[in-house]
Amino acid sequence: DAEITQSPRHKITETGRQVTLACHQTWNHNNMFWYRQDLGHGLRLIHYSYGVQDTNKGEVSDGYSVSRSNTEDLPLTLESAASSQTSVYFCASSDRGATPVHEQFFGPGTRLTVL
Amino acid sequence: AQSVAQPEDQVNVAEGNPLTVKCTYSVSGNPYLFWYVQYPNRGLQFLLKYITGDNLVKGSYGFEAEFNKSQTSFHLKKPSALVSDSALYFCAVRDMVLGNDMRFGAGTRLTVKP
Repeated sequence: DAEITQSPRHKITETGRQVTLACHQTWNHNNMFWYRQDLGHGLRLIHYSYGVQDTNKGEVSDGYSVSRSNTEDLPLTLESAASSQTSVYFCASSDRGATPVHEQFFGPGTRLTVL
Repeated sequence: AQSVAQPEDQVNVAEGNPLTVKCTYSVSGNPYLFWYVQYPNRGLQFLLKYITGDNLVKGSYGFEAEFNKSQTSFHLKKPSALVSDSALYFCAVRDMVLGNDMRFGAGTRLTVKP
């Protein structure tokens, strides 16, 4: 069965370190997204990609970067981790159509703690 | 820009009673509306969506939602709640014209008591 996976599931790091969170999907979806979930804020979009070599900034992109070298993967990098980036991170993917009607499929999440 | 409001942080209902989780939205164009559910330590799961057509949308696990354009609302409903429905529910909106990203509400925690 097709799926979307994230690794690691839990990560503890120190302020200033570079951290990369992996996202891998086997749906063959063109669209991929990264969100962070914080209490009282719901999910907020960090970055998204509509295909290979395409990346776009979302609502809360400062301090984060992504790259899309193939269809299956969209790694999220925190260049210099800050305590404000302690959160649960979700990756999602969706099919691409003429209009944005498609629902998103979510990974299980990565809980990141920055000390 | 599009936005979503879920006015209730918490909804409590007794098993067997009907449940409603409220959602209102704001978009500049026509909306695409979605409901997702999140169980503990899991990612979000899609429940249902409104794109166009019939204002009453039926989804997974017996849930339905009614699109009301005049009230800019998309409330989630179920005629008879189950204890297993207890979870965190998110409403989300996309603007049909802009369409680039999905905006989520802050979430509503539903607790169904036996």
